[in-house]
Amino acid sequence: GQQVMQIPQYQHVQEGEDFTTYCNSSTTLSNIQWYKQRPGGHPVFLIQLVKSGEVKKQKRLTFQFGEAKKNSSLHITATQTTDVGTYFCAASNFGNEKLTFGTGTRLTIIP
Amino acid sequence: DARVTQTPRHKVTEMGQEVTMRCQPILGHNTVFWYRQTMMQGLELLAYFRNRAPLDDSGMPKDRFSAEMPDATLATLKIQPSEPRDSAVYFCASGPGWVSSYNEQFFGPGTRLTVL
Repeated sequence: GQQVMQIPQYQHVQEGEDFTTYCNSSTTLSNIQWYKQRPGGHPVFLIQLVKSGEVKKQKRLTFQFGEAKKNSSLHITATQTTDVGTYFCAASNFGNEKLTFGTGTRLTIIP
Repeated sequence: DARVTQTPRHKVTEMGQEVTMRCQPILGHNTVFWYRQTMMQGLELLAYFRNRAPLDDSGMPKDRFSAEMPDATLATLKIQPSEPRDSAVYFCASGPGWVSSYNEQFFGPGTRLTVL
């Protein structure tokens, strides 16, 4: 089955520093989604990327989909304490609503 | 503000007991998913329904787990008999499916299950 790996597994940063998590697949993906899960909470949809090389921004968050559609990244500029949580990528294929979730990157912020 | 609801939010039970978890998907969503989350295994898909029909339950231990959608407003996940290794957070999610150009999933708050 489809497997999606994320690195790093954990990231501790000082408040104000940048943060990046990477998502990699051995197979070409139709699209990729990103979710955020706060401690004790549930995953919340952030964004979906569909096109090769696509870049989308949400305030301090920048999402990229690789040219080969096998990898993706999420970059947060100038982290804030509200960014704490686990960030998951999730992949699916057109016509199939199933998502394969990555292993997640847990972000903690040092004030 | 439409959201997925799950009951109960917490459940502590003893090994061998039956556990039933319930989910009310967002009205109008035609796909429903059950996930299990543990520290070791992460977020695993257990079962998936489209228009109430089960499409994929390959992630579910068949001998003890069962998932159903008796109607469009209710999805259930049942474990019988429960075992300590079933302790996890169980999430239900619903989505609009590929009717829209996005197939994002909306997660419920989860049921935290502890089997002693």
